[in-house]
Amino acid sequence: DIQMTQSPSSLSASVGDRVTITCRASQSISSYLNWYQQKPGKAPKLLIYAASSLQSGVPSRFSGSGSGTDFTLTISSLQPEDFATYYCQQSYSTPRVTFGPGTKVDIK
Amino acid sequence: QVQLQESGPGLVKPSQTLSLTCTVSGGSISSGSYYWSWIRQPAGKGLEWIGRIYTSGSTNYNPSLKSRVTISVDTSKNQFSLKLSSVTAADTAVYYCARDREGISYFDYWGQGTLVTVSS
Repeated sequence: DIQMTQSPSSLSASVGDRVTITCRASQSISSYLNWYQQKPGKAPKLLIYAASSLQSGVPSRFSGSGSGTDFTLTISSLQPEDFATYYCQQSYSTPRVTFGPGTKVDIK
Repeated sequence: QVQLQESGPGLVKPSQTLSLTCTVSGGSISSGSYYWSWIRQPAGKGLEWIGRIYTSGSTNYNPSLKSRVTISVDTSKNQFSLKLSSVTAADTAVYYCARDREGISYFDYWGQGTLVTVSS
């Protein structure tokens, strides 16, 4: 299986901050990388698919980049509703998709 | 707007079979190029893909669970189901159903999740 790692595992930030989360795959996955946001007690929500495509309805402050093994999710100006846990997911080895361990973003 | 809703027992005894159903509304489960997946999340932990089904009945399972998992679909009821046999406490988790876009394979619609506890 393709292993996914994320860094940092958690971070503290303030409203208005620029936040960057990194996801790394154990082998090249081209651009088959998706990002999700999960709030406590809720299902994950798709933010970014195919590494850099913004899902419909997702604010433009979210962006994704990368290819191969290294990817980033950037929130350009953190808003109060963005405090959540973020997961990356590789779909290169579909159907055997795997998720990263998550990055928790909380209030500084 | 597609909506998914999980249903089933919240408590299952060890060694028994966990059974959940996902009801899809706002669209036909047979339309479009989608798979229908099950994903689980133990408390405080990450997400694990369990398996998926196409409306043709074609299935794919996580190899780590394959021997215990069966996913089926009932297109007449717009539902798909999960059965996980011989459960242990390690199977305690929130179980989600989700729509899986064919090709790039991302999960664009999710159910709210249902907690299943394995305990005697």
